Amino acid sequence: AQSVAQPEDQVNVAEGNPLTVKCTYSVSGNPYLFWYVQYPNRGLQFLLKYITGDNLVKGSYGFEAEFNKSQTSFHLKKPSALVSDSALYFCAVRDGNSGNTPLVFGKGTRLSVIA
Amino acid sequence: GAVVSQHPSRVICKSGTSVKIECRSLDFQATTMFWYRQFPKKSLMLMATSNEGSKATYEQGVEKDKFLINHASLTLSTLTVTSAHPEDSSFYICSARDTAAGGLVTEAFFGQGTRLTVV
Repeated sequence: AQSVAQPEDQVNVAEGNPLTVKCTYSVSGNPYLFWYVQYPNRGLQFLLKYITGDNLVKGSYGFEAEFNKSQTSFHLKKPSALVSDSALYFCAVRDGNSGNTPLVFGKGTRLSVIA
Repeated sequence: GAVVSQHPSRVICKSGTSVKIECRSLDFQATTMFWYRQFPKKSLMLMATSNEGSKATYEQGVEKDKFLINHASLTLSTLTVTSAHPEDSSFYICSARDTAAGGLVTEAFFGQGTRLTVV
């Protein structure tokens, strides 16, 4: 079984400062990892994914994430936060060995970027 | 990327009535679609896996007779909330992957979500 932990319900950061949203995962097979962002009353928008290859993955809107196998983590980062980055962020995992299976999501982290 | 369209975005219905939510893959075919429910300030809870041409697979605790899923074509899955009650009020989201384009490594794309309010 897969699971995802996002230990922070809320992250506050000043505009222009770097941001980190934490995620750890558990999967029995091959981890496929994803980050999504959700704005109020909207669906989820894909930011980035790790499947294989370089541990540092770059995605949309200047976000990046680093896959760390030993720590089973996939933290989302951005060097300089914008007010418009304020939203709900979800980390998700899928077992790459298990076919077309659904994503398992973390509980979400609300990011507030303060001007 | 691939586009998943969900309709309606918002619906208010009376208790006891049924509501149908549509999920369409606009530029790809999806043999499998997923339906999620999101409670306020909570994560997405997988309700069921919708399979084109066959019965949906429901997660434990989800009433299949209450949440009817039909996946009649490769681009359309519908979720019908039957005899809705106020406790069914929630945000429902569908998703699908374009497995033909990217194989199983491709990311899932999500509909815009449907805010259901049962009064």
